Amino acid sequence: DTAVSQTPKYLVTQMGNDKSIKCEQNLGHDTMYWYKQDSKKFLKIMFSYNNKELIINETVPNRFSPKSPDKAHLNLHINSLELGDSAVYFCASSQQLSTGELFFGEGSRLTVL
Amino acid sequence: KQEVTQIPAALSVPEGENLVLNCSFTDSAIYNLQWFRQDPGKGLTSLLLIQSSQREQTSGRLNASLDKSSGRSTLYIAASQPGDSATYLCAVTGTASKLTFGTGTRLQVTL
Repeated sequence: DTAVSQTPKYLVTQMGNDKSIKCEQNLGHDTMYWYKQDSKKFLKIMFSYNNKELIINETVPNRFSPKSPDKAHLNLHINSLELGDSAVYFCASSQQLSTGELFFGEGSRLTVL
Repeated sequence: KQEVTQIPAALSVPEGENLVLNCSFTDSAIYNLQWFRQDPGKGLTSLLLIQSSQREQTSGRLNASLDKSSGRSTLYIAASQPGDSATYLCAVTGTASKLTFGTGTRLQVTL
């Protein structure tokens, strides 16, 4: 069973479109995250949720809106996609916010044309 | 602002060698430090987690040390194998529970 799963794995879309990436974890963790890995492979946190509550929102444009319907899911919706949004987006989870080990999904590669 | 640096950026070694990867961070007020490996086109796999109160952690051929006061961590890989080829990332959890990643070391183990 995959611990942290995200869909879709690949997403190719036109500028201006709206798209969503879904993430689910079956580890029973309290905290979930979204990270962005740019073309230079640098990973940066975007959001973290703890027990469905937004904890970290790291200067991400308002076009990005995370939604956590329950502790096991954290989805990422992106409005009005721009070329610069092209990246690999990783979902992750941990048992606790500060001290827990992180488990990552396989990533969702978004290409905006 | 926390900054995490990894040296070297890339490393190529013959199979069987022992090697050390370095990670340094600017703000010593951390909760923990994690080492990950990332294979091309894949997600990150957690290798070792060291809490701020610990000095080292070991898992198989891997040993990670943490010197919080000097802002340094090392990942020691013993008897390297071609399957160890990957990018290794360190990350620290600091204030506001933010995880900051290093720039990574790309390791190639040759036959």
